[in-house]
Amino acid sequence: GAGVSQSPSNKVTEKGKDVELRCDPISGHTALYWYRQRLGQGLEFLIYFQGNSAPDKSGLPSDRFSAERTGESVSTLTIQRTQQEDSAVYLCASSLYRGVWARAKRMNTEAFFGQGTRLTVV
Amino acid sequence: GQQLNQSPQSMFIQEGEDVSMNCTSSSIFNTWLWYKQEPGEGPVLLIALYKAGELTSNGRLTAQFGITRKDSFLNISASIPSDVGIYFCAGLNAGGTSYGKLTFGQGTILTVHP
Repeated sequence: GAGVSQSPSNKVTEKGKDVELRCDPISGHTALYWYRQRLGQGLEFLIYFQGNSAPDKSGLPSDRFSAERTGESVSTLTIQRTQQEDSAVYLCASSLYRGVWARAKRMNTEAFFGQGTRLTVV
Repeated sequence: GQQLNQSPQSMFIQEGEDVSMNCTSSSIFNTWLWYKQEPGEGPVLLIALYKAGELTSNGRLTAQFGITRKDSFLNISASIPSDVGIYFCAGLNAGGTSYGKLTFGQGTILTVHP
C-alpha cells in the first residue's frame, strides 16, 4: 500500500519480555516519528529520525526503550523487559520534510500516521 | 521541551452546533497542523497552515495560524455525528537541533449528540 504500515497491529506480551514493533514509512519519506498513546490520552513523543542526522531521542521514557532506522527505510522500536505501564498504542508517522528549505517552499511538512500497534503487557 | 496547550479537553455538543478549539504555545512554530483521530485509527491530517495570519478552510472546517505564531484555532461549523473523534493540533519546529519535529497538543475529545 501507499501509506505508513505498522506491524503487528496487536501484541500481547508477558511482563518482562522484550517486544519489537515495526514501522514501514511511505517510500521516500525522510522524517519518521514514534509516538505513544495511552488509553484516552494524547500523543506522547518518543523519538524522531530525520534523514542521516542523529535521531532526537529526548522522548524515550527509559533506557528500556530504543529505536533504530537504517537510512530512509524501516524503523523498529524495541521495548526491553516490558512493564504493565508500557501498555499503549504505539504510533508511527512519516513525512517528506527535509528542513528549512521545505518549510520555505510550503511543502512536505505534513506527517502521515500508521494505524498503530496496540501493545498489552499482562 | 516544547509544549502545546490545547483546549478544551472535551466537548459535548448537539448536532448542528458550531465547534471551536484552540492551541497555544510559549514557543513560535512555523507550521501548524490539525489532525482528527477516530477510534482504532491513527490521526489523519485535516488542515495544514504555513503562514502567520493564514486562514484555511476544508469543507466545514476552518483553521487559522495566529499572527503571533504561537497559537492556532480550528472551527467546525454545523457539526454532524461523524465529526466525533479526537482532534489534535501539532506545531512543527523549524530550527534548532531538532528541526522538523512535530509537537502535539493533548487533544480535544468531541462528542456530537444527534
